[in-house]
Amino acid sequence: SQQGEEDPQALSIQEGENATMNCSYKTSINNLQWYRQNSGRGLVHLILIRSNEREKHSGRLRVTLDTSKKSSSLLITASRAADTASYFCATVKAAGNKLTFGGGTRVLVKP
Amino acid sequence: DGGITQSPKYLFRKEGQNVTLSCEQNLNHDAMYWYRQDPGQGLRLIYYSQIVNDFQKGDIAEGYSVSREKKESFPLTVTSAQKNPTAFYLCASSYLSGQWNTEAFFGQGTRLTVV
Repeated sequence: SQQGEEDPQALSIQEGENATMNCSYKTSINNLQWYRQNSGRGLVHLILIRSNEREKHSGRLRVTLDTSKKSSSLLITASRAADTASYFCATVKAAGNKLTFGGGTRVLVKP
Repeated sequence: DGGITQSPKYLFRKEGQNVTLSCEQNLNHDAMYWYRQDPGQGLRLIYYSQIVNDFQKGDIAEGYSVSREKKESFPLTVTSAQKNPTAFYLCASSYLSGQWNTEAFFGQGTRLTVV
């Protein structure tokens, strides 16, 4: 079973546009994290947001968290071709402390 | 250089063989994890460990075994009981903030193929 589910599964945009992807989860969490994966490689951590936080920024990335709806969103502003990758949300459950991933969103940024 | 190292990068296994994937970290992280990734899919948790000599099953532990004898090392054995082992295996580690897992650092993965 996967705790987080991303939406959409795939996204294709032009360079310079914004990309938004969403993550929903099922049980109470301590924190939620977003990761990026280039094809065939390991994952790279982007942002961690704790359950008592509502929004965080890092460069061109903006993450929101709505614990009442059990959902999060990742916004990439002014996208670049180099942002082409798969993006995953992961949650640390309040019970058990497991780091569990969703299915990911594949983002293609066309130059 | 601090980091997390997986080896080998590619591994071929014959039917009925056990194979062991190596994962080593020098980040002094308490927690370590093993995930399986199938093509075009997300990561599924196999096993995780938060302290030496202790580990817990993840969502797909059947056919796999682990040990955590040292803080730096968390090897994964894929046994012959795992009927469909061909996949990309990712190891990760993270530090604990209080009791909670924080950002995870990933190795570059091991691609296992059954021949």
